[in-house]
Amino acid sequence: AQKITQTQPGMFVQEKEAVTLDCTYDTSDPSYGLFWYKQPSSGEMIFLIYQGSYDQQNATEGRYSLNFQKARKSANLVISASQLGDSAMYFCAMRERNRDDKIIFGKGTRLHILP
Amino acid sequence: DAGVTQSPTHLIKTRGQHVTLRCSPISGHKSVSWYQQVLGQGPQFIFQYYEKEERGRGNFPDRFSARQFPNYSSELNVNALLLGDSALYLCASSLGTGTGEAFFGQGTRLTVV
Repeated sequence: AQKITQTQPGMFVQEKEAVTLDCTYDTSDPSYGLFWYKQPSSGEMIFLIYQGSYDQQNATEGRYSLNFQKARKSANLVISASQLGDSAMYFCAMRERNRDDKIIFGKGTRLHILP
Repeated sequence: DAGVTQSPTHLIKTRGQHVTLRCSPISGHKSVSWYQQVLGQGPQFIFQYYEKEERGRGNFPDRFSARQFPNYSSELNVNALLLGDSALYLCASSLGTGTGEAFFGQGTRLTVV
């Protein structure tokens, strides 16, 4: 069964420090995609980064990188040099190629950046 | 380039009424999906449309329906509104089906009173 697990309901991090948000997933489909989204209090779901299951290298987008460990079914998000504006809810999500195109979300991690 | 646009941004309806939410995908994207996010939870999949055909449906009652137009925009309709339908409704746009990036709109916040 499709499943996304985020074990950190909340995190507090000092500004300018790096932060790692944990995500593990479960799938039997060999072809899938993994996402991270940021949701500030305004509600908009902001796309951060995407990793395909066949991508050989870890995805990076500016200060965001995805630490993809396929054998461990792990897809942690790393934010370097955190900023106050990074305070938000972060969702890990997955979509399988052979499913009905739905994206399954984890429960989210609320990140608080401290000045 | 414009991102995914949804309208309206906020809506207040009375129980039993009907509501229509609209979504315009990113130019060139042919797939539109709808999600419901209640407070404190992650989004839940409602529908996916690709090339004007329904390709997937989540575990929602028949009061929920949707369609996609020739220009790939989409409408989500909810009949006989219940208090429990109060949520943020999100639309996602992607090039095709299966894997690949997916981008969300700002959402429509529906309140049923």
